[in-house]
Amino acid sequence: DSGVTQTPKHLITATGQRVTLRCSPRSGDLSVYWYQQSLDQGLQFLIQYYNGEERAKGNILERFSAQQFPDLHSELNLSSLELGDSALYFCASSVDPSGGLGGTYEQYFGPGTRLTVT
Amino acid sequence: GQNIDQPTEMTATEGAIVQINCTYQTSGFNGLFWYQQHAGEAPTFLSYNVLDGLEEKGRFSSFLSRSKGYSYLLLKELQMKDSASYLCAVREQKYGNKLVFGAGTILRVKS
Repeated sequence: DSGVTQTPKHLITATGQRVTLRCSPRSGDLSVYWYQQSLDQGLQFLIQYYNGEERAKGNILERFSAQQFPDLHSELNLSSLELGDSALYFCASSVDPSGGLGGTYEQYFGPGTRLTVT
Repeated sequence: GQNIDQPTEMTATEGAIVQINCTYQTSGFNGLFWYQQHAGEAPTFLSYNVLDGLEEKGRFSSFLSRSKGYSYLLLKELQMKDSASYLCAVREQKYGNKLVFGAGTILRVKS
């Protein structure tokens, strides 16, 4: 158990709909990361938040957005869903000082949310 | 941008040693990570290298050569439970703690 929790575990929804995935980081971790893993794309970085602020952005679609709340939990919102959005969505957290430079600061991954769009 | 290459699949025998290679190209390097991922589960951290050389941790070791853009993960005394995907990931200096993952190497351990 990494200490990172994600809900829900599974989500089945229809095209065009909107869903919200939730993540609670390990106690004390200020950074939260979101990743998408599909069969043909591998693990793709979407976005990072550090202490409520957006820190880094990857290949995140405009239909997707995220935020980190004062209690440090994070939500990933996916809208206008398409069949191709079906994937495993992982959240990870790490200890990460302001610059993130040097040190291991390994990311601990949650169990993931499996999203199926039909 | 980054380019990370690792073999797609490897097969090895229980009790043997296997080496999984990873080559990378990056505009700014700030560490290389190896993660293990069993099918349908979360990736788990195995090792981290930022300086050249070998890091040993029990049955697992990881090596880095920054000048060659090359790393390998060495697994000794293979066990059936080591059958999993092994992900190489690079952290770029200018992007905080963002990791870029390779596609992963599926390792099958046979008896």
